[in-house]
Amino acid sequence: GAVVSQHPSRVICKSGTSVKIECRSLDFQATTMFWYRQFPKQSLMLMATSNEGSKATYEQGVEKDKFLINHASLTLSTLTVTSAHPEDSSFYICSAALPSSYNEQFFGPGTRLTVL
Amino acid sequence: DQQVKQNSPSLSVQEGRISILNCDYTNSMFDYFLWYKKYPAEGPTFLISISSIKDKNEDGRFTVFLNKSAKHLSLHIVPSQPGDSAVYFCAAKIGGTASKLTFGTGTRLQVTL
Repeated sequence: GAVVSQHPSRVICKSGTSVKIECRSLDFQATTMFWYRQFPKQSLMLMATSNEGSKATYEQGVEKDKFLINHASLTLSTLTVTSAHPEDSSFYICSAALPSSYNEQFFGPGTRLTVL
Repeated sequence: DQQVKQNSPSLSVQEGRISILNCDYTNSMFDYFLWYKKYPAEGPTFLISISSIKDKNEDGRFTVFLNKSAKHLSLHIVPSQPGDSAVYFCAAKIGGTASKLTFGTGTRLQVTL
């Protein structure tokens, strides 16, 4: 149980384009999902908390107009990187918290974004 | 401000021996701690957790110890196996709700034959 998927696993795009990353909880409903970013050899940094049916809560320093988050259903959250630039190249990971046990988060496999 | 720290970026242990990974935190509001294992280009995999009301939690080869007064936790892996080679992250949160995880910087464990 507690499987989280992400799509795509890898994307390469040109500078200035927008990229959408999907995060799905496959066998449970997640009212709360989280989006993290990891730069090479660094820790996972929380970008935002995604709540179903309401606006996402962004961490300090994360531009909400650049990183659009939509949590339209209990099993799907999307992260759209708008007008991507090379410095946005990173590993993006989502996670979902089990409603029965908010203390544990289960992570997706991640999406490697490369902006040329 | 790094609230969760793993001061050893890497650790090498011989197969069969004990691996001890350490983690320190500064925020006294944290009351739930987790360890994750991560391979390159993959998401973290949950290993074991501990609530602040306990000082030890054991699951098979993995044991987590918590010293609240020292704001320190450690993960023991006994016996270590080559498949344990990965990056290990400790994480902390304020429990009770679906609140965010604060991750440490990670320790790369290499288990040698």
